[in-house]
Amino acid sequence: GEDVEQSLFLSVREGDSSVINCTYTDSSSTYLYWYKQEPGAGLQLLTYIFSNMDMKQDQRLTVLLNKKDKHLSLRIADTQTGDSAIYFCAVITGGGNKLTFGTGTQLKVEL
Amino acid sequence: DAEITQSPRHKITETGRQVTLACHQTWNHNNMFWYRQDLGHGLRLIHYSYGVQDTNKGEVSDGYSVSRSNTEDLPLTLESAASSQTSVYFCASSESEGEQFFGPGTRLTVL
Repeated sequence: GEDVEQSLFLSVREGDSSVINCTYTDSSSTYLYWYKQEPGAGLQLLTYIFSNMDMKQDQRLTVLLNKKDKHLSLRIADTQTGDSAIYFCAVITGGGNKLTFGTGTQLKVEL
Repeated sequence: DAEITQSPRHKITETGRQVTLACHQTWNHNNMFWYRQDLGHGLRLIHYSYGVQDTNKGEVSDGYSVSRSNTEDLPLTLESAASSQTSVYFCASSESEGEQFFGPGTRLTVL
């Protein structure tokens, strides 16, 4: 089945840019998502990208997609302490409506 | 406002007991999903449903069952709870290939 991988931790200083990476195996994935989970809460959609795009920008967020390498990244500009959370990459799986999630990357923003 | 709710938010039970976790959505979405979240594994799909009377097994379905008698609810039942089922459980719903909306989660402890 689909395999989605992320590094587990990332630590950055406030004001710096954060880059969270994700790799996946199913080249037929049509939608690729980034979700954010704050402590004790459910997941909220941050942004998504269609597989026919290679970049999407939304305010401080930039998503880059390299379909050839099956690599997705999320860049957060001017990272703030409120950005501290777990970030999950997710891809549509098997042509249906199911999502396969990565392990999540815990972002810690230090002053 | 439409929402997705889960109950209870916290549950402690004993090994061997039957437990049912409730999930209710008012989005009128056809698709509903149950995930478990464990450190180092991200979110793993337990069961899902694409409509009333439709249920399907996910990646980690052993020991769990679901039923879908109406659009709004997808209860998750642990037939005989095991310590390995201690986890945080999330319900989600979606319309076709779109964004999945997540509930706040249920923290289940099996002693």
